[in-house]
Amino acid sequence: KNQVEQSPQSLIILEGKNCTLQCNYTVSPFSNLRWYKQDTGRGPVSLTIMTFSENTKSNGRYTATLDADTKQSSLHITASQLSDSASYICVVSAWGTGGGNKLTFGTGTQLKVEL
Amino acid sequence: GAVVSQHPSWVICKSGTSVKIECRSLDFQATTMFWYRQFPKQSLMLMATSNEGSKATYEQGVEKDKFLINHASLTLSTLTVTSAHPEDSSFYICSASPPGQNIQYFGAGTRLSVL
Repeated sequence: KNQVEQSPQSLIILEGKNCTLQCNYTVSPFSNLRWYKQDTGRGPVSLTIMTFSENTKSNGRYTATLDADTKQSSLHITASQLSDSASYICVVSAWGTGGGNKLTFGTGTQLKVEL
Repeated sequence: GAVVSQHPSWVICKSGTSVKIECRSLDFQATTMFWYRQFPKQSLMLMATSNEGSKATYEQGVEKDKFLINHASLTLSTLTVTSAHPEDSSFYICSASPPGQNIQYFGAGTRLSVL
């Protein structure tokens, strides 16, 4: 069974600090891994997407890493801002049949940035 | 990036009535769209895959007669919650992938409250 586990479940940090979110997955056959940011009451917005051969991908203050051997990924947020407060969801895509890839969603890490 | 629009963003209805939610791909054609459901503090759960011009594919445990999906054009899919009950209250999100792109763009979601 394909699974995606994220840790921590929730996190509170002070503005300006860095933080790292973790994602472990057991998804096969692996296609790609994405990190999404979901604000409360909104749909998820893509931050990064990495395929099997990519180890690191950056998007502004967000840097994602992928270790396909250990099936782990991390999302590092630098110099956090109040607007970073949101749920961060790790989503792993498995190659599917019929032209559609199957997505497995993590339960997310709820990040709160405080003054 | 591609834009997926969802309407309405919030709907309140009486128990027993039906509610229609629209999902549109604004700047690309989508042969496949996806419908998700999300309860508070939980991850997105795939309900069904909407296929243009053919029947939707429902995930296990999702009642197809309860959640009617129509994908009549390459830019529009609709989800109708029939005879809604309070337990159907949830956040419904759609997504779509532009042709040739291995990334899903999500709508902003629709919050359904059934009284």
